[in-house]
Amino acid sequence: QVQLVQSGAEVKKPGASVKVSCKVSGYTLTELSMHWVRQAPGKGLEWMGGFDPEDGETIYAQKFQGRVTMTEDTSTDTAYMELSSLRSEDTAVYYCATVSIAARFHFDYWGQGTLVTVSS
Amino acid sequence: NFMLTQPHSVSESPGKTVTISCTGSSGSIASNYVQWYQQRPGSAPTTVIYEDNQRPSGVPDRFSGSIDSSSNSASLTISGLKTEDEADYYCQSYDSSNQGWVFGGGTKLTVL
Repeated sequence: QVQLVQSGAEVKKPGASVKVSCKVSGYTLTELSMHWVRQAPGKGLEWMGGFDPEDGETIYAQKFQGRVTMTEDTSTDTAYMELSSLRSEDTAVYYCATVSIAARFHFDYWGQGTLVTVSS
Repeated sequence: NFMLTQPHSVSESPGKTVTISCTGSSGSIASNYVQWYQQRPGSAPTTVIYEDNQRPSGVPDRFSGSIDSSSNSASLTISGLKTEDEADYYCQSYDSSNQGWVFGGGTKLTVL
């Protein structure tokens, strides 16, 4: 059973960066494909990017390219998502989620979410 | 870009059956598997259907999924509605042309 535990809520000023972590247990990070999904208040789910095992690369949604960086520390089984040049529209709950080993397009495990608030 | 369109909201009475649609904007929705997630307020999404019509263990068989190629849409059907089914439901698939995962806008199900 995979468990994903994310870091706590953050408050950032416009223009700053935020780095959210996602600690994996039950499996090692190298066995998983980690993705990030966000949800603005009262809005739907939005895929940001993640590791595509078909290509062996991390891919980013076009909307976030140049502003988001997703990294992994395999020594601690922790994934990170850093979003830069924050603006008020980036206020959202950010989730890490794993893509199923058996079903490539299916997000089978989710973290509890991290609220990032961007406000001056 | 490939988009998935869902009705904003649906409502139905307990014990009844409801169907939530998810329509693909282009190409064939059958080209890649569709998943359905349930999200209750303040919680992360959980899977109710994956790979078009598969139920994870623990999801009751009241939940079923299907694909209709003629209308380029996927559907989530919930029978024998219970008040606990009240939640937001999201369809999700993959956009082959842009190599990215895609979510529908979500449907709020009210059971009253």
